[in-house]
Amino acid sequence: NAGVTQTPKFRILKIGQSMTLQCTQDMNHNYMYWYRQDPGMGLKLIYYSVGAGITDKGEVPNGYNVSRSTTEDFPLRLELAAPSQTSVYFCASSYGGGGAYNEQFFGPGTRLTVL
Amino acid sequence: GIQVEQSPPDLILQEGANSTLRCNFSDSVNNLQWFHQNPWGQLINLFYIPSGTKQNGRLSATTVATERYSLLYISSSQTTDSGVYFCAVEIGGSYIPTFGRGTSLIVHP
Repeated sequence: NAGVTQTPKFRILKIGQSMTLQCTQDMNHNYMYWYRQDPGMGLKLIYYSVGAGITDKGEVPNGYNVSRSTTEDFPLRLELAAPSQTSVYFCASSYGGGGAYNEQFFGPGTRLTVL
Repeated sequence: GIQVEQSPPDLILQEGANSTLRCNFSDSVNNLQWFHQNPWGQLINLFYIPSGTKQNGRLSATTVATERYSLLYISSSQTTDSGVYFCAVEIGGSYIPTFGRGTSLIVHP
């Protein structure tokens, strides 16, 4: 199993550009999450999904969109990139359903800089 | 929402020393995880421990759910233990984990 994979690893955007961060998991997990991590801070939840076709906002959703058309993929879309979106983005997944099934596994992250 | 406080925020050790990291939370939780973020940024699962005690090599963790805290013990620390340690908790019925701000650990040779 590759686990949770993310592409790209690094990206520089200009203000106002758009991009999609890709996330794929091959563990047949139902739940998927997008987080951002700013320097010296913990992780803040952007969006999450409990299954294909179901998404919901987390703590910091503004400026982002997601979709979940398959169990495996959970792309994060940035529209009109702003310097405040400079961060490291992590995708995570879990089986879901409570108890140990909620143990999360993380991808390697995407480092995004908006100039 | 639930508050998660980790202490100490920073810790510097000599190789071979022992340490205890603490995670306090403000509400009853269903889930608690400890993660290690290595210097390359990768988040590694250490323990899934909503209650009780677990051990994995030089690391162990204890969660006392009734008193709303968890402890991570690192014994005989090594330079490879350096990084940031996060705890993340989840209250009952929520799909949303809340992360603490982490403890930054530096282990000197």
